[in-house]
Amino acid sequence: ETGVTQTPRHLVMGMTNKKSLKCEQHLGHNAMYWYKQSAKKPLELMFVYSLEERVENNSVPSRFSPECPNSSHLFLHLHTLQPEDSALYLCASSQEALVLAVAGELFFGEGSRLTVL
Amino acid sequence: AQSVTQLDSQVPVFEEAPVELRCNYSSSVSVYLFWYVQYPNQGLQLLLKYLSGSTLVKGINGFEAEFNKSQTSFHLRKPSVHISDTAEYFCAVSDRGGSNYKLTFGKGTLLTVNP
Repeated sequence: ETGVTQTPRHLVMGMTNKKSLKCEQHLGHNAMYWYKQSAKKPLELMFVYSLEERVENNSVPSRFSPECPNSSHLFLHLHTLQPEDSALYLCASSQEALVLAVAGELFFGEGSRLTVL
Repeated sequence: AQSVTQLDSQVPVFEEAPVELRCNYSSSVSVYLFWYVQYPNQGLQLLLKYLSGSTLVKGINGFEAEFNKSQTSFHLRKPSVHISDTAEYFCAVSDRGGSNYKLTFGKGTLLTVNP
């Protein structure tokens, strides 16, 4: 198993659908993140979980709903999305959320490519 | 607030040529600096990081970067590139100290190595 696994790799959904993205990390890390990657824009941090508690919600619309049932799994529930939400959604993990600012490193999954019609 | 500017959105080079990818940052406090690489259809992977000490940092795959505080730059260099170095490269910065969960990323530079 690779370090951070994301499923599905590709998802096409209509604006009224409900779907979920899944992320699983096998690195024993305590912190997990959702990032949005859109063309020609910097990566946008969406959510941060540390020890299964949400510690950052970066002004993300409520149509995105994260869930972290344990330190190895992270979900992003999607509901009534807009076409501008089409992007690559990257999951990442790190040893500790606070340590990231000190010396840490993010480990990324390969991403879920979302297309909203 | 921090910001990162990657001055070139695309850099085409020939194989075995040297390359420099430019990164400038702005921050009101001292920072940590990172370069990540994203190969096609993959997630980001850390290339190298500057935390403290020597301003010349060596990373994986023969890349190195130099921290220049006076110019607020952290340019990435490789003396001789390979086809396999074709990828998108992201510069990132985080503030030292405090409760900061954020890496602020630049928009990326697409390096294309041609035969």
